[in-house]
Amino acid sequence: EIVLTQSPGTLSLSPGERATLSCRASQSVSSSYLAWYQQKPGQAPRLLIYGASSRATGIPDRFSGSGSGTDFTLTISRLEPEDFAVYYCQQYGSSSITFGQGTRLEIK
Amino acid sequence: EVQLVESGGGLVQPGRSLRLSCAASGFTFDDYAMHWVRQAPGKGLEWVSGISWNSGSIGYADSVKGRFTISRDNAKNSLYLQMNSLRAEDTALYYCAKMETSDFWSDKGWFDPWGQGTLVTVSS
Repeated sequence: EIVLTQSPGTLSLSPGERATLSCRASQSVSSSYLAWYQQKPGQAPRLLIYGASSRATGIPDRFSGSGSGTDFTLTISRLEPEDFAVYYCQQYGSSSITFGQGTRLEIK
Repeated sequence: EVQLVESGGGLVQPGRSLRLSCAASGFTFDDYAMHWVRQAPGKGLEWVSGISWNSGSIGYADSVKGRFTISRDNAKNSLYLQMNSLRAEDTALYYCAKMETSDFWSDKGWFDPWGQGTLVTVSS
C-alpha cells in the first residue's frame, strides 16, 4: 500500500498570500496518478486536480498541481476567503487507493 | 446534474449488520465504476471499496475485507454496501463516489462527484 504524507499539518496564511501544500508518497506513484480534493466543514470533498496537474471542471486557475514520482505539490497562487479548508491528496496508481491525512489551511 | 444520495446509516450495536444504499442520477450509471469512501468523526478520508461497471472487478480495503460486500444494481441506478460484523472503528460518514472510469481502478481513478454521506455509528 502506498502511504501518502501531507505537510504541513496546518498552514496559517492570509488572503492574497500564496499557499504551497505538499504530498509525499512512500513509493513512486505510477504515471502521476494523483488527485487533490478540497473539503469544507459539513461538506463532501470536491475534486480540484487529477493526473497531478490537470484542473477539474470549474476549478479556478489560481489552483495548480505539480510533481511526479513521490513528491507532489498543490499551489494556490492568491488565497481567497473561500479557499480556507482542508485539502487531501489521493493516489490511484495502485488498486489499493489511499489518501493523505490532510492539510488544514486556516486564516492567519 | 450528477447526483449521488446515500441512505441507510444509523446507530447499530457492535457485531450487527447494516446495508447502505446510494441512488445515482444525472449520468449513465452503468458506464462508471463506483466506490465507497468513509470519514471517521474529525478524521481524514479512507477508501473502503470499489466496483466496476459490470460488477466484474471489485476491491476492498484490508480493514473491511471479509466483513463488507459492495454491489450494484444498474437497472435501479443504485450502489450498495453490506456491512457485517460491525466494529466501533467502523463509525464514520460513508460517502458514495463516482470514478471517471468503468473499471474499479484505472488511470482515471479519481472521485467526482461525491454524495453528501450517510452516518454510521457503531456503539452499544
